[in-house]
Amino acid sequence: EPEVTQTPSHQVTQMGQEVILRCVPISNHLYFYWYRQILGQKVEFLVSFYNNEISEKSEIFDDQFSVERPDGSNFTLKIRSTKLEDSAMYFCASRSGLGGETQYFGPGTRLLVL
Amino acid sequence: QKEVEQNSGPLSVPEGAIASLNCTYSDRGSQSFFWYRQYSGKSPELIMFIYSNGDKEDGRFTAQLNKASQYVSLLIRDSQPSDSATYLCAVNMASNFGNEKLTFGTGTRLTIIP
Repeated sequence: EPEVTQTPSHQVTQMGQEVILRCVPISNHLYFYWYRQILGQKVEFLVSFYNNEISEKSEIFDDQFSVERPDGSNFTLKIRSTKLEDSAMYFCASRSGLGGETQYFGPGTRLLVL
Repeated sequence: QKEVEQNSGPLSVPEGAIASLNCTYSDRGSQSFFWYRQYSGKSPELIMFIYSNGDKEDGRFTAQLNKASQYVSLLIRDSQPSDSATYLCAVNMASNFGNEKLTFGTGTRLTIIP
């Protein structure tokens, strides 16, 4: 069964450093999402992406964040200058869009900012 | 602020009994509703989705939707220890039509007691 994959599974970085989180959505899916979950809190929407552009972003998704689909398979989330409060699990999700609303989540990247 | 509310639990249920999980949402025009299961440190895993008022059954799981009361529930029959997890209610709010971002509740922690 097709799955969303994410790399790395864990990332430790120093405050102020740039990180890039990578995702490979399910093949033929058209809609891509990033969510985050701070430890002990709810899953929060960050950004949605369709047709090579951002379709919506949350208040969390400020200028320090960017997303990109550099090729036909990868979908990346970049945090330009990490802050302590960026420490969280980051989940990528994809949706087919062809009559399907269900979002399928990847295993997540645990980001720790020191 | 459009919200999804869940009782955080923990909810303890004897093995073999029925577990009942509840969720309310604030956006009356919401159209689609999802239940995800999340094991500790893992990503959300889709259990069921429901779009229409009434019941939807899938194996041991039944989702119930009442749009008039803005209420969605998940019943788990013949509960097994492997059902012990946090159950997340997620709603595609009406304002997100076409974008389909999900708004999550805080989740209900379910423990099945052998």
